[in-house]
Amino acid sequence: DAKTTQPPSMDCAEGRAANLPCNHSTISGNEYVYWYRQIHSQGPQYIIHGLKNNETNEMASLIITEDRKSSTLILPHATLRDTAVYYCIVPSGGYNKLIFGAGTRLAVHP
Amino acid sequence: KAGVTQTPRYLIKTRGQQVTLSCSPISGHRSVSWYQQTPGQGLQFLFEYFSETQRNKGNFPGRFSGRQFSNSRSEMNVSTLELGDSALYLCASSVQPDTSGNTIYFGEGSWLTVV
Repeated sequence: DAKTTQPPSMDCAEGRAANLPCNHSTISGNEYVYWYRQIHSQGPQYIIHGLKNNETNEMASLIITEDRKSSTLILPHATLRDTAVYYCIVPSGGYNKLIFGAGTRLAVHP
Repeated sequence: KAGVTQTPRYLIKTRGQQVTLSCSPISGHRSVSWYQQTPGQGLQFLFEYFSETQRNKGNFPGRFSGRQFSNSRSEMNVSTLELGDSALYLCASSVQPDTSGNTIYFGEGSWLTVV
């Protein structure tokens, strides 16, 4: 899998946008970027994924740079319930095998 | 539409025993994968099944095994339990067997405590 680098922790004020960066400089042309989050003691929750173009769904937006070497997950209006560990993953080699790193621990505060 | 369902949610076993965990994927999903999460090692891939065949396996000892049935339901088994097997075991499912833009959904997991 392409290696990803994320900051270990971030803070965000409730109601503000949370921008979570991810570096994946070794990504190859046909590899997707996936984002999951895990709230304490629960299973990972799928957020969004993308290949080249920016993507948006009801949960978040994913901005991928033109060279595809980095991306940013945007939670437009963070709430306390968005406090979680966020994982950026670039799987490769086929199969449904996700390699989870340490992720970014996002703390949303009032 | 029901999500990925795992049973049991919580269980306690004694060292040396074996355990079987069950996973029902989302309806229509044919690929099932398993993960182990511990505080020390984080989330680690165990194995993945598609069409009743194990297609990929993580770096775990042979005590960890699994299978998939014709209805895509899956079970994993851990034999001769050790204290270090205490973990959250997660099942994930998807329609397709690869990550080419395929969405993988996780269940809530089975908490195993070995005493």
